[in-house]
Amino acid sequence: EVQLVESGGGLVQPGRSLRLSCAASGFTFDDYAMHWVRQAPGKGLEWVSGISWNSRSIGYADSVKGRFTISRDNAKNSLYLQMNSLRPEDTAFYYCAKGIGPLANYFDYWGQGTLVTVSS
Amino acid sequence: DIVMTQSPAALSVSPGERATLSCRASQSVSSNLAWYQQKPGQAPRLLIYDSSTRATGIPARFSGSGSGTEFTLTISSLQSEDFAVYYCQQYNNWPFFGPGTKVDIK
Repeated sequence: EVQLVESGGGLVQPGRSLRLSCAASGFTFDDYAMHWVRQAPGKGLEWVSGISWNSRSIGYADSVKGRFTISRDNAKNSLYLQMNSLRPEDTAFYYCAKGIGPLANYFDYWGQGTLVTVSS
Repeated sequence: DIVMTQSPAALSVSPGERATLSCRASQSVSSNLAWYQQKPGQAPRLLIYDSSTRATGIPARFSGSGSGTEFTLTISSLQSEDFAVYYCQQYNNWPFFGPGTKVDIK
């Protein structure tokens, strides 16, 4: 059974940093692209960042470019999102999502999300 | 960036009726279009990819069509479990979602 479990969310002050993690199991992690998608409370879905199976292809939404960094450790079956210079508008549930292939940019499994709240 | 729009924003439908949801891209995305269903408090679920291919385990009452800039998700006979928000998403390059259509009970 595919499982994606996010962690690392919480309350953080504007301008500070936070690192999210996603622990994957139930599939061959290094065969698939992975992504972060966020959803502000009561709002729609926003793609944040994606990384190919071998980390050679990485993309970011304009809203987080230069502040967030995605990475993966295939040996640990883990995906990460380093979030710096956080803003109140970054407040959202952050979902880890599995691509349907090694370079795929659509998602067949999602985690349950971790809430990031940016507030003073 | 490719901008996705969806219409209507909300749709009231009686159980057993047909629902037709539209999605439009600001430029051609070929058939690189997916649909997701999201219920309150849950993560999204993939319904359709490549514009018209049902994901594993998705009932046949869900169907997708379109290419280029115009896409449609049809739910042929709405069941109680289908009342949810539906998002389209293009993946011609990096992905972008539409704003969603909420389908509720009439």
